[in-house]
Amino acid sequence: TQLLEQSPQFLSIQEGENLTVYCNSSSVFSSLQWYRQEPGEGPVLLVTVVTGGEVKKLKRLTFQFGDARKDSSLHITAAQPGDTGLYLCAGAKGGSQGNLIFGKGTKLSVKP
Amino acid sequence: GAGVSQTPSNKVTEKGKYVELRCDPISGHTALYWYRQSLGQGPEFLIYFQGTGAADDSGLPNDRFFAVRPEGSVSTLKIQRTERGDSAVYLCASSEGRWSSYNEQFFGPGTRLTVL
Repeated sequence: TQLLEQSPQFLSIQEGENLTVYCNSSSVFSSLQWYRQEPGEGPVLLVTVVTGGEVKKLKRLTFQFGDARKDSSLHITAAQPGDTGLYLCAGAKGGSQGNLIFGKGTKLSVKP
Repeated sequence: GAGVSQTPSNKVTEKGKYVELRCDPISGHTALYWYRQSLGQGPEFLIYFQGTGAADDSGLPNDRFFAVRPEGSVSTLKIQRTERGDSAVYLCASSEGRWSSYNEQFFGPGTRLTVL
């Protein structure tokens, strides 16, 4: 069974703080995606990383794919209450498989 | 244009009953996916359609679960003899073209199924 382990599972911080969420696996993925999910809604794609060592930035969010393509991190700078939500990482194995393998998610709460 | 829609938004049923969950993908998207998300978990893959055919059904937990997409657009997930353990949010997603690691999957809001 291919697993993606996310940590921490829960994170409660004050507005303005920085945070990092980790996504780790023993499997190699052809790409890794980060999603954000609000209550009562489906996940929304934030970014896809493909190349080992790749770094992508989306405003205050920085995503990194590990050199071996087994792990990834999401770093948020100066968190804001609007960043509150469930952050999910998902790995794609490539080929003809259509499934994404999701981690359990990190529930982030940013308090004003 | 409209996003992925799912109906009903909530479904409460009794153990042993049959349920159907519907997904309307984004117009023109040929790939359609079903996932199941239990409380406190990430989405778990169930089945992937490319056009009318199931290209990958390796995630269906057992033969009580079945999905169809007869005209390559709307899909229905069917669950027979429901069990309490089937309670979860069932998510549908669609994407353009054939599956690729680079294709963005657009998710619907899900159907929350509760089996009493």
